Amino acid sequence: DQQVKQNSPSLSVQEGRISILNCDYTNSMFDYFLWYKKYPAEGPTFLISISSIKDKNEDGRFTVFLNKSAKHLSLHIVPSQPGDSAVYFCAASLSSYGQNFVFGPGTRLSVLP
Amino acid sequence: DTAVSQTPKYLVTQMGNDKSIKCEQNLGHDTMYWYKQDSKKFLKIMFSYNNKELIINETVPNRFSPKSPDKAHLNLHINSLELGDSAVYFCASSRRGSTQSPNYGYTFGSGTRLTVV
Repeated sequence: DQQVKQNSPSLSVQEGRISILNCDYTNSMFDYFLWYKKYPAEGPTFLISISSIKDKNEDGRFTVFLNKSAKHLSLHIVPSQPGDSAVYFCAASLSSYGQNFVFGPGTRLSVLP
Repeated sequence: DTAVSQTPKYLVTQMGNDKSIKCEQNLGHDTMYWYKQDSKKFLKIMFSYNNKELIINETVPNRFSPKSPDKAHLNLHINSLELGDSAVYFCASSRRGSTQSPNYGYTFGSGTRLTVV
């Protein structure tokens, strides 16, 4: 039973356009969410986080939106760049100081020049 | 200067062998983890150690035994390797957060690709 789902295994976007990566979760107790980015042959690296007390968090070209009632979050990348091509993992935890994060299966983003 | 380093990067071994994967972090974090990325690409936690104490032990065969000699190291020893153990294993570390200072997630190593033949 997947508690964190990323239903799109892959996504292709033209350079300069917006990339929207989606994540759904089933456990309403999840309170803290993160996005990780992973290049081939490297470990995932932290990208951006959001706490359940917020519905939006922005960091440069990256914005994460949280809809708690729908148990849905999304990562927006604007404008998309070829260097953004990677696998993006959504992760959730029961609290902002929790240390057991549940990961989604990832979405492979390809940004085409 | 690598923050979380794990060795070896690649490991090919025969069924039935015993092998170890080492992990070291130089970030001063107090918690370390082992994750397994399976064939479906899910990252699943196996173990977590906080200050050398085991705090998370998911349903993992007891052929897998973590060892934390100190806060900066968490090694993974696997006995009697099976074909199904083939996967990429990631070590990670984090600083325990608080309500005032949220946990910003893990710093991962680059992974060890284990292939059992």
